[in-house]
Amino acid sequence: GQQLNQSPQSMFIQEGEDVSMNCTSSSIFNTWLWYKQDPGEGPVLLIALYKAGELTSNGRLTAQFGITRKDSFLNISASIPSDVGIYFCAGSGSSNTGKLIFGQGTTLQVKP
Amino acid sequence: DAMVIQNPRYQVTQFGKPVTLSCSQTLNHNVMYWYQQKSSQAPKLLFHYYDKDFNNEADTPDNFQSRRPNTSFCFLDIRSPGLGDAAMYLCATNKRDGETQYFGPGTRLLVL
Repeated sequence: GQQLNQSPQSMFIQEGEDVSMNCTSSSIFNTWLWYKQDPGEGPVLLIALYKAGELTSNGRLTAQFGITRKDSFLNISASIPSDVGIYFCAGSGSSNTGKLIFGQGTTLQVKP
Repeated sequence: DAMVIQNPRYQVTQFGKPVTLSCSQTLNHNVMYWYQQKSSQAPKLLFHYYDKDFNNEADTPDNFQSRRPNTSFCFLDIRSPGLGDAAMYLCATNKRDGETQYFGPGTRLLVL
């Protein structure tokens, strides 16, 4: 079945640093989504991408839908302590009737 | 305003004692999903409803059932919870397949 490979698995950075994480797949997706999950809470949507090559920003966050439709990255600029959490990428494609395929998650820790 | 609501946020049950988790949404979305998430893992889809059509994942145990009495509400019934069913249960919705899914805050289930 379809799989997403998300990296890195975890990151420990200093406050103020920029962060980059990415997801790759051997399959094509029509939609890429990036979620953040805090402990004990549900995933919260950060950015949704619907077109190949699309570059979208949400405050300090920027995400791109790869031109091949098989990858996406998320960048966080000038990290702050509240950026701590688990970040998941998720893809949706016509072959899986719209169901989301999740990456394994990237755990981000920020040192003040 | 909350869009996807899950009650209760925390549920404790005994081994083998049936338990029901609930989800409601104010978005008037057609599709509702139930996911199981264990610690440090990505959410795992159990089943979803497209309107009244129920779609079970192939590897979802028979112990898990669902009901959707109307557009706004969806229930997850665990008929005989085992210790391995302790997890976070997430509800999500979207307007139609392939569109962005919005998650509720989750219900943390503990089985004693």
